[in-house]
Amino acid sequence: SAVISQKPSRDICQRGTSLTIQCQVDSQVTMMFWYRQQPGQSLTLIATANQGSEATYESGFVIDKFPISRPNLTFSTLTVSNMSPEDSSIYLCSVTRGDRATDTQYFGPGTRLTVL
Amino acid sequence: GQSLEQPSEVTAVEGAIVQINCTYQTSGFYGLSWYQQHDGGAPTFLSYNGLDGLEETGRFSSFLSRSDSYGYLLLQELQMKDSASYFCAVEKIIFGKGTRLHILP
Repeated sequence: SAVISQKPSRDICQRGTSLTIQCQVDSQVTMMFWYRQQPGQSLTLIATANQGSEATYESGFVIDKFPISRPNLTFSTLTVSNMSPEDSSIYLCSVTRGDRATDTQYFGPGTRLTVL
Repeated sequence: GQSLEQPSEVTAVEGAIVQINCTYQTSGFYGLSWYQQHDGGAPTFLSYNGLDGLEETGRFSSFLSRSDSYGYLLLQELQMKDSASYFCAVEKIIFGKGTRLHILP
């Protein structure tokens, strides 16, 4: 298994500011994913972050708005830049140990972001 | 466009069997995943089907038919703790809207 922690667990931010969310895993993993989820809604993949390479962003998400760092095999950050109320959501970090589709995917507890 | 369809809600009785269906329309399909999420909790990965057929893990089984673009999650011997939302997903990228499973005592 993999134990994932996220910081902060929740935050309330003002419009126009930025927030960096940290994701720490208790052991080395190959793939790290960032999702967002509105309460009661589905998950939306923002980007996939692999160590040593640029993050791969899904359609509708851009690096300027959601810059991601992946400095090593146990840590990643997601920044939500120039926030607006539409960015209010739960942001989830997720990992797999390997890069096979069959690898178990583990999720962090999430960061609940509210933008005023 | 790419989409996955699953029922929004399903209700079943404790001890019974329930099937949650998922049909998909995507490009570049490789496999179907299933996740469980309790209210206020993080998703939990349940299973992945990369090939046609049935995969069994304890009380949970998952099935895939790529020719029909269809899969399902089968939950047996339902317990109250199985009350949760269940999501199907293509790879780890495109998720269905989720099926909320209600279990009656």
